Amino acid sequence: DQQVKQNSPSLSVQEGRISILNCDYTNSMFDYFLWYKKYPAEGPTFLISISSIKDKNEDGRFTVFLNKSAKHLSLHIVPSQPGDSAVYFCAASASGADGLTFGKGTHLIIQP
Amino acid sequence: DSGVTQTPKHLITATGQRVTLRCSPRSGDLSVYWYQQSLDQGLQFLIQYYNGEERAKGNILERFSAQQFPDLHSELNLSSLELGDSALYFCASSESDETQYFGPGTRLLVL
Repeated sequence: DQQVKQNSPSLSVQEGRISILNCDYTNSMFDYFLWYKKYPAEGPTFLISISSIKDKNEDGRFTVFLNKSAKHLSLHIVPSQPGDSAVYFCAASASGADGLTFGKGTHLIIQP
Repeated sequence: DSGVTQTPKHLITATGQRVTLRCSPRSGDLSVYWYQQSLDQGLQFLIQYYNGEERAKGNILERFSAQQFPDLHSELNLSSLELGDSALYFCASSESDETQYFGPGTRLLVL
């Protein structure tokens, strides 16, 4: 039973446009959410996070939105750059307990 | 560079064997986490240690064990290896219970 779902295995976006990656979760106990970026043969790199007491967090070109009632979060990247091409993982945790629960990832491809 | 180091980078072994993976956390981080990434299961949490003590267990098999030493480095021991244990193994560390920083991983191939 997947508690964190990323329903789009891949997404193609033109350079300079906005990339929107989506994530849904089912566990109401999750209260902290993170996005990681991963290149092949490397470990996941932390991008941005959001606590359940907020609905938006921004860091440079990256913004994460959280809709608790819909159990949905999204990562916006604007403007998209070629170096953003990678696999993006959504992850969640419940009050710091246990490890992170990850989605299966979305492969973002930025086209020139 | 996350500051988390893992050795070895690659490991090839045979079924039935035992291997040890090593992780050094970021300076000052007391928590160490181990994850397995396989093609069909994605990234799965295995186990967490905090300041030398086991804190949480995920989907870790009984054939697998871990420990964290006084200098805070951690080792993941995998025994009686099976073909299905072939995967990427990641270590992560954190200062608090929130953001985890991942190492580059160890790629294990069981033949």
